[in-house]
Amino acid sequence: AQSVTQLGSHVSVSEGALVLLRCNYSSSVPPYLFWYVQYPNQGLQLLLKYTSAATLVKGINGFEAEFKKSETSFHLTKPSAHMSDAAEYFCAVKRETSGSRLTFGEGTQLTVNP
Amino acid sequence: EPEVTQTPSHQVTQMGQEVILRCVPISNHLYFYWYRQILGQKVEFLVSFYNNEISEKSEIFDDQFSVERPDGSNFTLKIRSTKLEDSAMYFCASRGRSENTEAFFGQGTRLTVV
Repeated sequence: AQSVTQLGSHVSVSEGALVLLRCNYSSSVPPYLFWYVQYPNQGLQLLLKYTSAATLVKGINGFEAEFKKSETSFHLTKPSAHMSDAAEYFCAVKRETSGSRLTFGEGTQLTVNP
Repeated sequence: EPEVTQTPSHQVTQMGQEVILRCVPISNHLYFYWYRQILGQKVEFLVSFYNNEISEKSEIFDDQFSVERPDGSNFTLKIRSTKLEDSAMYFCASRGRSENTEAFFGQGTRLTVV
């Protein structure tokens, strides 16, 4: 079975500050890992994905994440927060098998203060 | 840019009624999914569909749920006799053939059962 744990249901940062959203995964097989963002009243938009290539993955809007197998982590970072980054962020894991489901974490609500 | 479209965006129904949620996946995608998100909770997998049959389903996807791809373009989720606890945002997603591609999500249908 696979699972994802996001530490911190709410994270608040100041505009211009570092954003760090934590994700730890549990998977018995090599996983694919994803970060999705959900803006209010909208669907899920892919930020970035790890699919066993480079461990440091760059995504849209200046976000990046590093896959660390030894720590079973895939934390999301952005050097400088912008007001438009305020949203809910979901980490998700998928098995490396045909058509398998995404398993989502609980989500982290990011607030950016002026 | 191709996108997954869902209709309606909001559906209100009385308890016990049947509802059909509609989705048009991206045209060359092969895997189709339904997920739901109860207000304030995480996104949960319901069912995946490939080659005109269900490939995987969760424990949530019981006999009151069914999926269909009636005409090669639409992908529908039917809830036969709605319950109050079925109130949620329902997301359709589709994915291409390659295992390392991400799922693209629609904007969701907010189902309210009264």
